[in-house]
Amino acid sequence: VQLLDSGGGLVQPGGSLRLSCAASGFTFSNYAMSWVRQAPGKGLEWVSSMTSADVTYYADSVKGRFTISRDNSKNTMYLQMNSLRAEDTALYYCAKTNWGSGFDIWGQGTMVTVSS
Amino acid sequence: SELTQPPSVSVSPGQTAGITCSGDALAKQDAYWYQQRPGQAPVLVIYRDTERPSGIPERFSGSSSGTTVTLTISGVQAEDEADYYCQSEDISGAYQLFGGGTKLTVL
Repeated sequence: VQLLDSGGGLVQPGGSLRLSCAASGFTFSNYAMSWVRQAPGKGLEWVSSMTSADVTYYADSVKGRFTISRDNSKNTMYLQMNSLRAEDTALYYCAKTNWGSGFDIWGQGTMVTVSS
Repeated sequence: SELTQPPSVSVSPGQTAGITCSGDALAKQDAYWYQQRPGQAPVLVIYRDTERPSGIPERFSGSSSGTTVTLTISGVQAEDEADYYCQSEDISGAYQLFGGGTKLTVL
């Protein structure tokens, strides 16, 4: 069971970036998936989740700017991030989400830096 | 809705460490605990307040009472030095919550 995050990088304030999370080793379509971020030297912050039935949830801090999606044919989840701000700078982790069993598998993280 | 953890806990090897997490949501929602070693991704160590995933040592246990949950590590080892985060959901179930994290230092 493995999750591979990618797509991070350096972007200017107001810019956009799309993160990807490629899953393997489990039936991707059966599980909810989530994004969790960690600003440098700070704690974990939940960003967004998407259920296996495509219901989406967002933290207030990203609502209206970020969009979570998934492509079950490619076993891949995405996070489209628009109108990026300096405070969005963080290591972004994708996590397999087992309702009632927590975030049970995590990717290695992909770094997003928002700076001019 | 918030989850509150002590910033740090220190313990000698072989002793027992307890890390608390408090919040109103915990009275009705399950709690989860994650271990994060420096430079690594978090790892789930306790789910549904007291359950231990396969592969997690038996010295890790969880308990719950009212609005407080506790992660207990018995016979602490040097490798247990890490940051520990509690997690739950708000009452509506629409938001996931993380505590601020507790740094466990093994003296």
